[in-house]
Amino acid sequence: DADVTQTPRNRITKTGKRIMLECSQTKGHDRMYWYRQDPGLGLRLIYYSFDVKDINKGEISDGYSVSRQAQAKFSLSLESAIPNQTALYFCATSDRSPGDASNQPQHFGDGTRLSIL
Amino acid sequence: SQKIEQNSEALNIQEGKTATLTCNYTNYSPAYLQWYRQDPGRGPVFLLLIRENEKEKRKERLKVTFDTTLKQSLFHITASQPADSATYLCALDITGTASKLTFGTGTRLQVTL
Repeated sequence: DADVTQTPRNRITKTGKRIMLECSQTKGHDRMYWYRQDPGLGLRLIYYSFDVKDINKGEISDGYSVSRQAQAKFSLSLESAIPNQTALYFCATSDRSPGDASNQPQHFGDGTRLSIL
Repeated sequence: SQKIEQNSEALNIQEGKTATLTCNYTNYSPAYLQWYRQDPGRGPVFLLLIRENEKEKRKERLKVTFDTTLKQSLFHITASQPADSATYLCALDITGTASKLTFGTGTRLQVTL
């Protein structure tokens, strides 16, 4: 079984719909992240959470919200989907470290391909 | 503004040769730099992390260098194989917040027979 599991793997929906993407992990990591990936733009951080009570906006949080239901679960919601949110979405986790989060590898799920018509 | 640059053009090399990929960054000097591999339709996979006080890091056929004066990291794959074909991403903290990574757009490597 994968350590970081994303559901669904693919989703096609219409403009204005509410969408929830789910991420669960068995790595026991405290830190979880949501990214989107677009051709030519690379991975961009949407939200990140360092523990259940700590949620932070990333580079492109507008139009998105998140919920950290437990240490192992971090979900991403699009309240009213729009076509320019069509992208590949990745969840990632990393272990805690003293001081600097950039010294820990991130572990990614295999992504959700989201298409908004 | 801070940014990370990786060559957006694909790198095509012959099997057995050494592939060298470049990651350049501006402004902030990170304490760590990471390299990932991404295959089509899959999430990135961590390969190597190098610290600012390390000039070079090796893992099997992989070698990473980190030049904080040039603000550049080089990623080498020696004796390359077709199975090494993938997109390679560098990632570092360019915001100085010590809380998150910023990823480069990646360079696609194609190794041919």
